[in-house]
Amino acid sequence: DSGVTQTPKHLITATGQRVTLRCSPRSGDLSVYWYQQSLDQGLQFLIQYYNGEERAKGNILERFSAQQFPDLHSELNLSSLELGDSALYFCASSVGGAGELFFGEGSRLTVL
Amino acid sequence: GIQVEQSPPDLILQEGANSTLRCNFSDSVNNLQWFHQNPWGQLINLFYIPSGTKQNGRLSATTVATERYSLLYISSSQTTDSGVYFCAVNTGGFKTIFGAGTRLFVKA
Repeated sequence: DSGVTQTPKHLITATGQRVTLRCSPRSGDLSVYWYQQSLDQGLQFLIQYYNGEERAKGNILERFSAQQFPDLHSELNLSSLELGDSALYFCASSVGGAGELFFGEGSRLTVL
Repeated sequence: GIQVEQSPPDLILQEGANSTLRCNFSDSVNNLQWFHQNPWGQLINLFYIPSGTKQNGRLSATTVATERYSLLYISSSQTTDSGVYFCAVNTGGFKTIFGAGTRLFVKA
C-alpha cells in the first residue's frame, strides 16, 4: 500500500458526460501529480500541484481540469467525454516538487 | 523536453534467467525511478536512484548520471516478475517523465 488513495477505482460512463476523479496523497506529501495511461501505452503526464498551486502542465486537454484543495487532496475533472478518454488515470504524490513519486492504484475510466 | 528511451521494448524469459533493462535519457536528471507495473495495473516502486547502485533482493539498479543511462538487473526471474518496467526521470522541475516501458513475460 503506497498510502495514496484514489476513488473511484472503476467508472463507466457515456460520451458527453462529465466525471470527477479524486486523490488523497500520502500523509505529509505536498505534491500531487496526475497521469493518464491509455491501453497498452506509457504514462502521460497531465498536471502537477504543489501545496495548492499548479506547478507544471503536460499534455492535458482543455476539457480536463484539476485542482488541489487546502487539505491537499486533488480532483481531476474530465468533461465532454469521448471514447478516446477511456484510460487508467493515476495520481501520485511526493513530499516536495521533484522527489520520489508514490502512485495510487488508479481509476479505470471506460467511456461507452 | 527530455527524452527517455527504454530497451528492449519486449522481453521473454524462461523462469530462472537473468536480464538487464536499460533506460537512456537525453539530459541531466535530478532523480530517476524504476517502477514495475504488474498485470493488475498497479505501479510498484522498485528503486529511487539518481546515481550509484542499489540492490533489493533479486533486483538491482545502477544509474550512471554522467553518461545518462540507468540499468535494472533482474536475476533468477520468476513468473511474478512479469509486467511492464518503467523508468521515470525528473530534471529538477516539476515534471517527472516516463519512458515507454519494457514489457517482460517470464515463462514457467
